[in-house]
Amino acid sequence: EPEVTQTPSHQVTQMGQEVILRCVPISNHLYFYWYRQILGQKVEFLVSFYNNEISEKSEIFDDQFSVERPDGSNFTLKIRSTKLEDSAMYFCASRKDRGSQPQHFGDGTRLSIL
Amino acid sequence: GESVGLHLPTLSVQEGDNSIINCAYSNSASDYFIWYKQESGKGPQFIIDIRSNMDKRQGQRVTVLLNKTVKHLSLQIAATQPGDSAVYFCADQSRGRDDKIIFGKGTRLHILP
Repeated sequence: EPEVTQTPSHQVTQMGQEVILRCVPISNHLYFYWYRQILGQKVEFLVSFYNNEISEKSEIFDDQFSVERPDGSNFTLKIRSTKLEDSAMYFCASRKDRGSQPQHFGDGTRLSIL
Repeated sequence: GESVGLHLPTLSVQEGDNSIINCAYSNSASDYFIWYKQESGKGPQFIIDIRSNMDKRQGQRVTVLLNKTVKHLSLQIAATQPGDSAVYFCADQSRGRDDKIIFGKGTRLHILP
């Protein structure tokens, strides 16, 4: 069964450094998402992406964050200058179409900021 | 604001018994709900979904019930197995341009031998 894959599984970065989290969504999906989950808390929406542009973003997704779909398969989340509070699990998700279609999630990247 | 929440943070069930996990939502305009299962070290895994024009939907060993009157949904797992141990989230896929998911707090299901 096709799945969303994320790399790396764990990223350790010094505070203030840039980090890029990578995702390969399911191949025929059109909608892409990033979520994060701080340890012990709810999964929170960060951003949605469709047709090569951001559709919606949350308050968390400030100027330090950006997303890109550089080619036909990858979907990346960049944090320009990481902060301690960026430490979390970051999940990528994709969805085939609009409407009542479930999003499918990758297994996440654990981001640890030192 | 919108919220989706589960009633209990943890639930312990004897192996072989049925499990019922409950969830409440606040947005009466919500029209699509999803149950996800999250095992340790993994991402949320789709279990079953239900549209608001339905009251009940069944899958393999799982049933979701939706009560729109009281804005409540539940996930029933029949004959609970050790592999069912996980955190379960109900999710509201909101109406909006690209339907972001609003997750509730999870319920951790413990299976007792």
